[in-house]
Amino acid sequence: AQSVTQLGSHVSVSEGALVLLRCNYSSSVPPYLFWYVQYPNQGLQLLLKYTTGATLVKGINGFEAEFKKSETSFHLTKPSAHMSDAAEYFCAVSDVRNTPLVFGKGTRLSVIA
Amino acid sequence: GAGVSQSPSNKVTEKGKDVELRCDPISGHTALYWYRQSLGQGLEFLIYFQGNSAPDKSGLPSDRFSAERTGGSVSTLTIQRTQQEDSAVYLCASSLGRGRFRYGYTFGSGTRLTVV
Repeated sequence: AQSVTQLGSHVSVSEGALVLLRCNYSSSVPPYLFWYVQYPNQGLQLLLKYTTGATLVKGINGFEAEFKKSETSFHLTKPSAHMSDAAEYFCAVSDVRNTPLVFGKGTRLSVIA
Repeated sequence: GAGVSQSPSNKVTEKGKDVELRCDPISGHTALYWYRQSLGQGLEFLIYFQGNSAPDKSGLPSDRFSAERTGGSVSTLTIQRTQQEDSAVYLCASSLGRGRFRYGYTFGSGTRLTVV
């Protein structure tokens, strides 16, 4: 069965600092990997995804993530945090079998002025 | 429609009552998913509809939960004899479906269910 582990339920960074949100996955077949963001009282919005091809993927709002098969990781980064980045971030995994997305428990990002 | 629409946005019900939650997916999206989001627990998969195929009900937590999708479009999630542990945000998502999964899901804003 697939699973996702997000290290750190809460991450706090200063405005302008590097954002790093960690995600490790488990999958018996090549994975499809996703990051979603959830703002308060809203649904989830797709930030970026990896399916095949280039392992460094760029998404919206300046975020990017790198698929590292050897480390079974898909960490999310942003060089410079902005106050508007404060939200809940979810990592999710599926695969070529199109199984429903399996989500991690989420990481709440706080940005301090 | 332009997005996934869910109604009601908030629902407060008494323990033991039945509730129905509605999801209207994006037009043309053949796949529809229900998830439950509980505080600190992430998103829990409930059920998945793909076109006219039999739904994947593997995530439904008990036989009090059921869902249907009429005409390949609107879906209703029904919870019978609600319990306090059913309190959560219920999220619906749709996608272009099998073979086109790489486009990801589009989520609705959810229904916040509170059982008192």
